[in-house]
Amino acid sequence: EAGVTQFPSHSVIEKGQTVTLRCDPISGHDNLYWYRRVMGKEIKFLLHFVKESKQDESGMPNNRFLAERTGGTYSTLKVQPAELEDSGVYFCASSQEGGGQPQHFGDGTRLSIL
Amino acid sequence: QKEVEQNSGPLSVPEGAIASLNCTYSDRGSQSFFWYRQYSGKSPELIMFIYSNGDKEDGRFTAQLNKASQYVSLLIRDSQPSDSATYLCASAATYKYIFGTGTRLKVLA
Repeated sequence: EAGVTQFPSHSVIEKGQTVTLRCDPISGHDNLYWYRRVMGKEIKFLLHFVKESKQDESGMPNNRFLAERTGGTYSTLKVQPAELEDSGVYFCASSQEGGGQPQHFGDGTRLSIL
Repeated sequence: QKEVEQNSGPLSVPEGAIASLNCTYSDRGSQSFFWYRQYSGKSPELIMFIYSNGDKEDGRFTAQLNKASQYVSLLIRDSQPSDSATYLCASAATYKYIFGTGTRLKVLA
């Protein structure tokens, strides 16, 4: 069974540009989550999808971030325009059930804003 | 603010010893607790999860939960150099994980 895959693994862009991160969850997992880790800090929740519906986007930093999951399969997270403080590692996770069930993480996308 | 606290380490143990990793959490509503192992540049890998007070064992790993003390621990028996990694503790009241910053474990050969 393929795990959670994320693309790209690294992205380096300039301030003001746009970047789109992609996540492919484990097949059959309806629940998809985005998290972020900024340098020296803990991994923090961004949002949660159940199928194509956003259940909770309380962790999204501001309206420069837009997450989508059209068709309830893969998800994208777009940052537009990128700011310096957006640098960090963006993780995607998925789970078959919601609630407090174990989530399986991807390798993350390391985003560097110059 | 809901938090999960871990000692950042590094925690150094000799090969074959027991490594003890600890974590405290502030949200009394937390129901689920998870330990992830993360190698540099790789995904957090689920090691153990525990929902009830007491001990849960899986191979060389034992997770311990004490909800009254808001304390979770992970014991690794017969530690191996390959266990050297960062161990992340997470709590969840629902689906939203709250992570600690992780403890770096070094197992010395």
